Amino acid sequence: GDSVTQMEGPVTLSEEAFLTINCTYTATGYPSLFWYVQYPGEGLQLLLKATKADDKGSNKGFEATYRKETTSFHLEKGSVQVSDSAVYFCALKETSYDKVIFGPGTSLSVIP
Amino acid sequence: DGGITQSPKYLFRKEGQNVTLSCEQNLNHDAMYWYRQDPGQGLRLIYYSQIVNDFQKGDIAEGYSVSREKKESFPLTVTSAQKNPTAFYLCASSIEAGYEQYFGPGTRLTVT
Repeated sequence: GDSVTQMEGPVTLSEEAFLTINCTYTATGYPSLFWYVQYPGEGLQLLLKATKADDKGSNKGFEATYRKETTSFHLEKGSVQVSDSAVYFCALKETSYDKVIFGPGTSLSVIP
Repeated sequence: DGGITQSPKYLFRKEGQNVTLSCEQNLNHDAMYWYRQDPGQGLRLIYYSQIVNDFQKGDIAEGYSVSREKKESFPLTVTSAQKNPTAFYLCASSIEAGYEQYFGPGTRLTVT
């Protein structure tokens, strides 16, 4: 079945460091891909999305490019801030059915 | 302000008692979802509803029940049959099933 794999955390970075969180997926069709962020004690918020191959989603300095050839949707940010500390979830939605499948989440901690 | 509300934020119950978690949305979304999140883990789908008066089991429906009598409301009952109910419960909605989901702030349930 469809699945999402993310790099294991926790990830700890210094402020202004470059961030990459890897996400790869398995799907039978052409899914839409999402990154959600969860701040401590809160629900998830949609961070960015891409609906077709080679699309780049971006928001708040974060970017991710839909790479069909490598079935990946890695999240990047050029310079992280302490306020970016959160758990990041990669997710996909297959075109043929309505459920969204979430990855296990990657915890990011940014230290001053 | 449009959004999803969950109440209460923290809930404590004794083992053997049923408890109902509230989820209300004023986004005029057709689809609503309940997820369970355990520490360090991703989201697991409990139930979802694509339209009023209809709902389907998710991946871990045993020990839970839902109703969808109104478009804006999707309460979740955690029954005494749920063997390990202590968790963080997240409600979400989307304009239609499969579109990006908007999450509530969550309810942390502790059963002792």
